[in-house]
Amino acid sequence: DVKVTQSSRYLVKRTGEKVFLECVQDMDHENMFWYRQDPGLGLRLIYFSYDVKMKEKGDIPEGYSVSREKKERFSLILESASTNQTSMYLCASSLQGAGYSTFGAGTRLSVL
Amino acid sequence: KNEVEQSPQNLTAQEGEFITINCSYSVGISALHWLQQHPGGGIVSLFMLSSGKKKHGRLIATINIQEKHSSLHITASHPRDSAVYICAVRRGAGSYQLTFGKGTKLSVIP
Repeated sequence: DVKVTQSSRYLVKRTGEKVFLECVQDMDHENMFWYRQDPGLGLRLIYFSYDVKMKEKGDIPEGYSVSREKKERFSLILESASTNQTSMYLCASSLQGAGYSTFGAGTRLSVL
Repeated sequence: KNEVEQSPQNLTAQEGEFITINCSYSVGISALHWLQQHPGGGIVSLFMLSSGKKKHGRLIATINIQEKHSSLHITASHPRDSAVYICAVRRGAGSYQLTFGKGTKLSVIP
């Protein structure tokens, strides 16, 4: 069963901590995405990557960075976590030029 | 104004009812997606449309490109259909990005 796996379902961090959210896909997909989802705002794209070591900013990249050293793994980094980064984070992947995205189960991050 | 608007925001139905969720968009698109998100967060792709109509079980999705409008229908609704349904559009053919509506929360009561 093909899938996108996010390393944690729930995470609690302190303000100022460096936070790593990991995402791994086993479908050999070229494209990978990080979204955050907030009530009343829907899903918003933070960063995406269309190839190893390639990255593009999405709609809300401020306060985040990403890393894609291997095709199957896409990491989201919060350099210095802040309370306004408390949210649900969703990773997704898709084939180059394809339509469907496959989503991970999400990581609910609380920054205290 | 959001590029993708869904209506209604919330919908409560009795089991067995026919349900329609609407999605309107204001930009040119190459495809429109319908997604389902159950409590707990996981998102599943239901349909991808660029024209016409698609059917899968009790779910039907239609799109009218000229009117920039899509509908998701659920026939003979069941409590397990309770979820948030999200419309998303992909712009040009070379675009990787999806732009999402805010979702419609559906509750089907036994």
